[in-house]
Amino acid sequence: GAVVSQHPSWVICKSGTSVKIECRSLDFQATTMFWYRQFPKQSLMLMATSNEGSKATYEQGVEKDKFLINHASLTLSTLTVTSAHPEDSSFYICSARDHGVSGYTFGSGTRLTVV
Amino acid sequence: AQSVSQHNHHVILSEAASLELGCNYSYGGTVNLFWYVQYPGQHLQLLLKYFSGDPLVKGIKGFEAEFIKSKFSFNLRKPSVQWSDTAEYFCAVTRNSGNTPLVFGKGTRLSVIA
Repeated sequence: GAVVSQHPSWVICKSGTSVKIECRSLDFQATTMFWYRQFPKQSLMLMATSNEGSKATYEQGVEKDKFLINHASLTLSTLTVTSAHPEDSSFYICSARDHGVSGYTFGSGTRLTVV
Repeated sequence: AQSVSQHNHHVILSEAASLELGCNYSYGGTVNLFWYVQYPGQHLQLLLKYFSGDPLVKGIKGFEAEFIKSKFSFNLRKPSVQWSDTAEYFCAVTRNSGNTPLVFGKGTRLSVIA
């Protein structure tokens, strides 16, 4: 079945630094990937839609300059949290439409802790 | 814009009790509907989905859901819950067109007590 690999699974960084999260579709091509954020014990909130070869589409209230998304190939999308602050600490999850049995495949998520 | 409502924030049941979790959506067009489960400390797992056809959908672990178009609902059911069903359950909707994202409900926490 379709697999999305997300890396790293967890990361701790200092305030002011940047962190890059990678999301790869391993056995299918994903022209579109989605980035979500999940706070503890809350639902997944869509942050942005990542489109291969073009600019990402951000949801209202999501700072595009803070959460940089790059989708340079059909199998890789990256989310870079720039100048991270403690309030950016969260669980970030990527997803891709796999056009297969499940419809959508999710990465295993990245737990970001900013100290 | 689409929205998904899960009316039950936290449900507590005894083992062997029957379960029904409500899910309503606001989009009026053709939709694809999903239920996901998230066990403590784990990532999302697909329980079942509805794209078209029979509105009664059977998923894994004995779960089922019924799509009622007139009520814009897609409630999740299980006739007899187990302690291992303790988890967070999310309903999600997307339009049936192109590469549109899933929109999630706020989730329902299910606690099953022995």
